[in-house]
Amino acid sequence: EDQVTQSPEALRLQEGESSSLNCSYTVSGLRGLFWYRQDPGKGPEFLFTLYSAGEEKEKERLKATLTKKESFLHITAPKPEDSATYLCAVQGASGSRLTFGEGTQLTVNP
Amino acid sequence: DAGVIQSPRHEVTEMGQEVTLRCKPISGHDYLFWYRQTMMRGLELLIYFNNNVPIDDSGMPEDRFSAKMPNASFSTLKIQPSEPRDSAVYFCASSFGQPQHFGDGTRLSIL
Repeated sequence: EDQVTQSPEALRLQEGESSSLNCSYTVSGLRGLFWYRQDPGKGPEFLFTLYSAGEEKEKERLKATLTKKESFLHITAPKPEDSATYLCAVQGASGSRLTFGEGTQLTVNP
Repeated sequence: DAGVIQSPRHEVTEMGQEVTLRCKPISGHDYLFWYRQTMMRGLELLIYFNNNVPIDDSGMPEDRFSAKMPNASFSTLKIQPSEPRDSAVYFCASSFGQPQHFGDGTRLSIL
């Protein structure tokens, strides 16, 4: 059974204070690891897909990296508008289903 | 392009009533997914379709839940009879392969 664990559950940062979110996973035959952002009252919004260890993707202040056991979402010089819950999900070899982690709730204070 | 459209956005009903949630996927997408999100269990997959055919319904909690996709533009998730423990946010997502694109959900409250 695919499993995803995210840490920390919640993170509070000051504006400009860089940090990283962790996503540890176990999956049979990783076909993709996905990062989503979810704002209150909204559905998850797609950010990145990573396919193999060593791969990195960047978008504005966010950079996602992948190893064989975990992924990190690095946030550089965050702004208050980066406040959201960040979700990690994996797709294994068994089909198109995604298994999601519980998410990290990020708050960036001005 | 319009995103995934779900209706209603909010539903409040009494225990025992039938509830129908609706989803219009993004045009051209061949996969459709139904999820449920709660504080206790997070985001969990209920069922997904490929080309209107149900592929994996192992996440459907019990026989009270049913889902249909009569055509490529429309899907429903029905709960009959509803119970208070069904209260959650229900999301529909669609994709052409990956990634999945989510609607803004239906917040369901069963009193």
